[in-house]
Amino acid sequence: GESVGLHLPTLSVQEGDNSIINCAYSNSASDYFIWYKQESGKGPQFIIDIRSNMDKRQGQRVTVLLNKTVKHLSLQIAATQPGDSAVYFCAEIDPGAGSYQLTFGKGTKLSVIP
Amino acid sequence: EAQVTQNPRYLITVTGKKLTVTCSQNMNHEYMSWYRQDPGLGLRQIYYSMNVEVTDKGDVPEGYKVSRKEKRNFPLILESPSPNQTSLYFCASSLQGPEKLFFGSGTQLSVL
Repeated sequence: GESVGLHLPTLSVQEGDNSIINCAYSNSASDYFIWYKQESGKGPQFIIDIRSNMDKRQGQRVTVLLNKTVKHLSLQIAATQPGDSAVYFCAEIDPGAGSYQLTFGKGTKLSVIP
Repeated sequence: EAQVTQNPRYLITVTGKKLTVTCSQNMNHEYMSWYRQDPGLGLRQIYYSMNVEVTDKGDVPEGYKVSRKEKRNFPLILESPSPNQTSLYFCASSLQGPEKLFFGSGTQLSVL
């Protein structure tokens, strides 16, 4: 989930297990959502996106679920691998708030235990 | 290789000494933007550009300037840096709009 203060929420999973990273967004007008992965010392990297007219979207080993009723977004990673260890950010775009502004969540740190 | 290149990677400077962080992309992207990343605050947008000669403020533009004279370059200028601008800076680009951004590797700036 989203962080409070200076410490990121941390999720530790065993290699091979599935991971679920959650994100609560606050703006009901947001219509486009993205997940980014940031490895240590690198810039964020696009993983998957979803529009508000969809509930679910699948990629390679990743699935994003969108629940607009409770303004909740989740990223599921199947068969988590050590290379999945990173900080994961959700991001949202509100088309009415200045057409090209993107707001990021504060991130969740995923640690994969070998 | 498609990439966003930022320079320098690390920079230590003193208060008031003007500096420029360069950003270049080789993907012919129209949209470019700058973010700063601070512990506990996440990524916050400083400025963005929809295309050449078109720039607009993000969430935290105070103390920064940008220019977009060419499509591939989007430098970030700090005219008079202050210690509260110590941060990790990222440049990003995308084909159109802030969807599916490609990020650079970051510039760690320390203002003493």
